[in-house]
Amino acid sequence: ETGVTQSPTHLIKTRGQQVTLRCSSQSGHNTVSWYQQALGQGPQFIFQYYREEENGRGNFPPRFSGLQFPNYSSELNVNALELDDSALYLCASSLRRGGPETQYFGPGTRLLVL
Amino acid sequence: AQTVTQSQPEMSVQEAETVTLSCTYDTSESDYYLFWYKQPPSRQMILVIRQEAYKQQNATENRFSVNFQKAAKSFSLKISDSQLGDAAMYFCSESETSGSRLTFGEGTQLTVNP
Repeated sequence: ETGVTQSPTHLIKTRGQQVTLRCSSQSGHNTVSWYQQALGQGPQFIFQYYREEENGRGNFPPRFSGLQFPNYSSELNVNALELDDSALYLCASSLRRGGPETQYFGPGTRLLVL
Repeated sequence: AQTVTQSQPEMSVQEAETVTLSCTYDTSESDYYLFWYKQPPSRQMILVIRQEAYKQQNATENRFSVNFQKAAKSFSLKISDSQLGDAAMYFCSESETSGSRLTFGEGTQLTVNP
């Protein structure tokens, strides 16, 4: 069973640029959630995708957008990068079929905006 | 709105001893799910234990157990026979429906002393 993977592991961008982060869900999982974790803080929910549709969004501006593909992998896109976007971005996958559901996390992508 | 509070930014324990990490939460739902995740320096968020609010019995996973007090909205984690590999940041989290967004606390940094 393959776990959640994310790419790249590290990324450096400059203010105003755009970035795309990628996540491959755990084998058999159909739901992907994205979180932003600033240094020294707990993760904050960005949004969730289920069956290629956005299924819930946290308090993040529209320049944070995402996609989920038919194979349930996902992308997080951030436009017009700001210094405060520097953080660890975590992807989590889960299997939605009714009943208790647990999210399993990937290793994260560390984004630094200069 | 959901809130999760971890009042202990740092805790330490001697190897082989027992330690308890505290967590309180606030939710208006009667059914919800509680989790403890562990984040070692490698950054990967690892599930430690899960508790469904509708279950009276406290969850246990080997050396890890919880004390779930629904009326008090308290969800503490007990680690028995602490090992050096238990050293990590521990996050308490809650989701109001199965698989929905996780709300995290600020974390407790656990140090295990040899």
